[in-house]
Amino acid sequence: GAGVSQSPSNKVTEKGKDVELRCDPISGHTALYWYRQSLGQGLEFLIYFQGNSAPDKSGLPSDRFSAERTGGSVSTLTIQRTQQEDSAVYLCASSLTILAGGYNEQFFGPGTRLTVL
Amino acid sequence: SQQGEEDPQALSIQEGENATMNCSYKTSINNLQWYRQNSGRGLVHLILIRSNEREKHSGRLRVTLDTSKKSSSLLITASRAADTASYFCATRETGANNLFFGTGTRLTVIP
Repeated sequence: GAGVSQSPSNKVTEKGKDVELRCDPISGHTALYWYRQSLGQGLEFLIYFQGNSAPDKSGLPSDRFSAERTGGSVSTLTIQRTQQEDSAVYLCASSLTILAGGYNEQFFGPGTRLTVL
Repeated sequence: SQQGEEDPQALSIQEGENATMNCSYKTSINNLQWYRQNSGRGLVHLILIRSNEREKHSGRLRVTLDTSKKSSSLLITASRAADTASYFCATRETGANNLFFGTGTRLTVIP
């Protein structure tokens, strides 16, 4: 499989529980992004990793949200003490190194649908 | 927060007709991209237009960009039922790492 993969595809949890979402980017892609999409809405940027640089966490909605990227590859997004408003589809994307002033296409995974009861 | 707003929110057309979707954004951008999303899951990149370009074509897709009006349009010609999906514009602001997505247009092509 050459695409971005995410697991689980669906996650149902109870309010207050912690969840971990996983993203496997395309091999060789140094940039990795997490987005959140609430029902019927556009994508909301959460966090961005680029190589060994410090991540851009400017989109994280609260300190209950955190993400790691180990070894420059797999990433996990953790949501602690989940709330009902956290229910959404969480999408991961990866791309080649961002060119200065330029662009590299982002390839998206299928997403994880999180439902907080 | 979202950068772009799309218009219309929903569009329903007959197969074979053309579909036009518009996107407006707020700040200075490096480029603007259009994505397609089926069934609320993964997005697929369709086309990119840079800030110094005014029009771009790819197959049945035609994208325009007017930086003075901070707006873009996506035209899908000779639509097919398989084009039914949500379409999002996304902008990369100058100096930013991530994309800002619009609210999307839900296109339905009736066979």
